[in-house]
Amino acid sequence: RKEVEQDPGPFNVPEGATVAFNCTYSNSASQSFFWYRQDCRKEPKLLMSVYSSGNEDGRFTAQLNRASQYISLLIRDSKLSDSATYLCVVNLISGGGADGLTFGKGTHLIIQP
Amino acid sequence: GAVVSQHPSWVICKSGTSVKIECRSLDFQATTMFWYRQFPKQSLMLMATSNEGSKATYEQGVEKDKFLINHASLTLSTLTVTSAHPEDSSFYICSAADRAYEQYFGPGTRLTVT
Repeated sequence: RKEVEQDPGPFNVPEGATVAFNCTYSNSASQSFFWYRQDCRKEPKLLMSVYSSGNEDGRFTAQLNRASQYISLLIRDSKLSDSATYLCVVNLISGGGADGLTFGKGTHLIIQP
Repeated sequence: GAVVSQHPSWVICKSGTSVKIECRSLDFQATTMFWYRQFPKQSLMLMATSNEGSKATYEQGVEKDKFLINHASLTLSTLTVTSAHPEDSSFYICSAADRAYEQYFGPGTRLTVT
């Protein structure tokens, strides 16, 4: 069983639509959770951390369900610039820790005009 | 914001040669640096963790004699791919952790071994 699983997509959605995707993680000891964004042939960039209480940053909302061990990302009013691969990331150490991150394969999102 | 640089951005080398990749934290001191590798359509996979002044810790399946890591200062870590082969062709990305343990990624190095 993979440690972090995501639907690879691609998800093709029209501009302005709302889109959501989830990921599941296998290690119940995971403490920190993140969504990263990776553009083609570029390094991943932190989009947002994910907290148990859920958190929102502009058009992006992330939620964590520890009981079911899944994380979700919701994007509202999608823009063309949102087209990217979204990586679900977990860490065993709280706060990011000085410990390597475990990445999912990513979900490829394509926003169409 | 914290900036991490990597050099070179891309390199093409012949099979059997060695390639050194540098990772630098430009505006902060990195107590820990990480090296990841990403094959096409695959996730980033942690290769090793390096702490300044000590030996790197390698993940299972990563050959320490093939991937030499040196973390000589709080701002510089190097990864040397020794005797590179075509199967080592990949996207190598480093990240650096500051004292708050936030991780910042370098822009990556695309290695192609012919």
